[in-house]
Amino acid sequence: LAKTTQPISMDSYEGQEVNITCSHNNIATNDYITWYQQFPSQGPRFIIQGYKTKVTNEVASLFIPADRKSSTLSLPRVSLSDTAVYYCLVGDSMNTGFQKLVFGTGTRLLVSP
Amino acid sequence: DADVTQTPRNRITKTGKRIMLECSQTKGHDRMYWYRQDPGLGLRLIYYSFDVKDINKGEISDGYSVSRQAQAKFSLSLESAIPNQTALYFCATSDLRPGSLQETQYFGPGTRLLVL
Repeated sequence: LAKTTQPISMDSYEGQEVNITCSHNNIATNDYITWYQQFPSQGPRFIIQGYKTKVTNEVASLFIPADRKSSTLSLPRVSLSDTAVYYCLVGDSMNTGFQKLVFGTGTRLLVSP
Repeated sequence: DADVTQTPRNRITKTGKRIMLECSQTKGHDRMYWYRQDPGLGLRLIYYSFDVKDINKGEISDGYSVSRQAQAKFSLSLESAIPNQTALYFCATSDLRPGSLQETQYFGPGTRLLVL
């Protein structure tokens, strides 16, 4: 499984765009990149998933460069409720039968007024 | 995710006691998982099940056992609880649709367990 590296913490203010970058230098050809969000005392919640280029949904965008060795989660105009821990994971759903989720310590985002 | 429920939500027990944590899902998923989370750390996989007849150990299965009673139910047991099993326990489900390369896991609200 490819190891991921993310910043331990980030600070932002309401209304700003937040970009969290994750490094995964050993990502394999079949690996997808997935981001989860976790609030205190709650289970992680799926945010977005992608394989290459850009993916956008109603919550966030995910930018993946051509070499796929990193990815950036972009949260537009954050609010106080976006304060949470964000996890970047890579995994291969096909070869291993399921995408074994290896959660690191994640990035703790604090949004201030 | 309200489609994945866990009981109890909080539990205090004593060393040596046997306890069971239960998970139910209404998502119709075949795959279910048990994780534990310790303060300030990520989640670690305890056991997982791809269907009713399939049980697999995760990275930290020692001291735990599971039962997949039905597609919708997956229980985690601590046969003889010890203090270092104090943690937040999460159940999750997922569905890898045939022909799909992508899987999303849906987590329950968690069970906070304290072993004295």
